[in-house]
Amino acid sequence: DGGITQSPKYLFRKEGQNVTLSCEQNLNHDAMYWYRQDPGQGLRLIYYSQIVNDFQKGDIAEGYSVSREKKESFPLTVTSAQKNPTAFYLCASRGNFEKLFFGSGTQLSVL
Amino acid sequence: GESVGLHLPTLSVQEGDNSIINCAYSNSASDYFIWYKQESGKGPQFIIDIRSNMDKRQGQRVTVLLNKTVKHLSLQIAATQPGDSAVYFCAENIQRGGADGLTFGKGTHLIIQP
Repeated sequence: DGGITQSPKYLFRKEGQNVTLSCEQNLNHDAMYWYRQDPGQGLRLIYYSQIVNDFQKGDIAEGYSVSREKKESFPLTVTSAQKNPTAFYLCASRGNFEKLFFGSGTQLSVL
Repeated sequence: GESVGLHLPTLSVQEGDNSIINCAYSNSASDYFIWYKQESGKGPQFIIDIRSNMDKRQGQRVTVLLNKTVKHLSLQIAATQPGDSAVYFCAENIQRGGADGLTFGKGTHLIIQP
């Protein structure tokens, strides 16, 4: 069953804590993306990676970090520097065409 | 700021009627546009796409129209059903330092009235 898997579905963060959101794809796509979605808002790009071991900042990268050690995996860490982390986080991948395939999302909330 | 936006945040239609969701974009260099459907608590799902060398493209019960003169994109859904209730996003393809990326609008919430 091919696709993008995000975990966990729900995540809670304590103040000052770093948390990591997982994103795995078995579509053999080179490019992967992380978006943040706030209620009633569109998607804003946090980070993206066009190829393994390379990634670029998006529009709202401050307070976030990523790694791309494997083609299949693109984890996102929400650091303590991100003062307003509560949001719905979406991971996506792209193959040879422009269309993005999305995961089912992770809802991050602050305790 | 966002270069892609929606004319209406909410659209309410009667079941069985046709729906038209509009989108304005500002980047005349964009060469690809896409519509996504997002149900509550889920990731966006692809609906239909169109390249800038086309004016119209049809899918199953959906049609996308592109007017490059006024930089306007629309999604038409025929015979709207309860399952069409969702937020609909348009997106345009913009180059980011040589790497393609999609920029999304805020979305339109489509509500189906019985």
